[in-house]
Amino acid sequence: EAGVTQFPSHSVIEKGQTVTLRCDPISGHDNLYWYRRVMGKEIKFLLHFVKESKQDESGMPNNRFLAERTGGTYSTLKVQPAELEDSGVYFCASSSGQGFSPLHFGNGTRLTVT
Amino acid sequence: GQNIDQPTEMTATEGAIVQINCTYQTSGFNGLFWYQQHAGEAPTFLSYNVLDGLEEKGRFSSFLSRSKGYSYLLLKELQMKDSASYLCAVRDGGVGYSTLTFGKGTMLLVSP
Repeated sequence: EAGVTQFPSHSVIEKGQTVTLRCDPISGHDNLYWYRRVMGKEIKFLLHFVKESKQDESGMPNNRFLAERTGGTYSTLKVQPAELEDSGVYFCASSSGQGFSPLHFGNGTRLTVT
Repeated sequence: GQNIDQPTEMTATEGAIVQINCTYQTSGFNGLFWYQQHAGEAPTFLSYNVLDGLEEKGRFSSFLSRSKGYSYLLLKELQMKDSASYLCAVRDGGVGYSTLTFGKGTMLLVSP
């Protein structure tokens, strides 16, 4: 079984540019989550999809962030325009939603905004 | 608010036992998770506690006391490959919805 995959693994962009991160969850997992870790801080929740619907987006920092999951498969997280404080590691995770259902994380995308 | 505390760093010797503590104050509680994360890699699931007591899984055990808001992860027979960051996380959503609140992680260094 393939794990959660994220692309790209690293991205370096300038302030004001746009970046789109992609996440492919484990096949069959209806629940998809985005988390972010800013340097020196804890991993923080951004949002949660159940299939193609946003279940909870309370962690999204502002309207420069847009997440989509068309068709309920892969998801994208777009940052437009990027700011310096957006730098960090963006993790995607998925779960089946069955039972206690631990999160399975991807390796993350390290975003650097200069 | 949500607050999860764990030590920043710990060191131990190969073959020894180490206990990593985690205390939490969260608005809801529906389970506590421990994850292991090697540098540059994905956090990987280690253990889950929802009831008080000890859960054992090979060299790793995890304990929970809900009344005290306290958990620990016990690693036995330490190996060099156990050097990693250990993340304590609390689930405060409903069953099946695993929105987690994480601590900052404990960096464990195992030396020969």
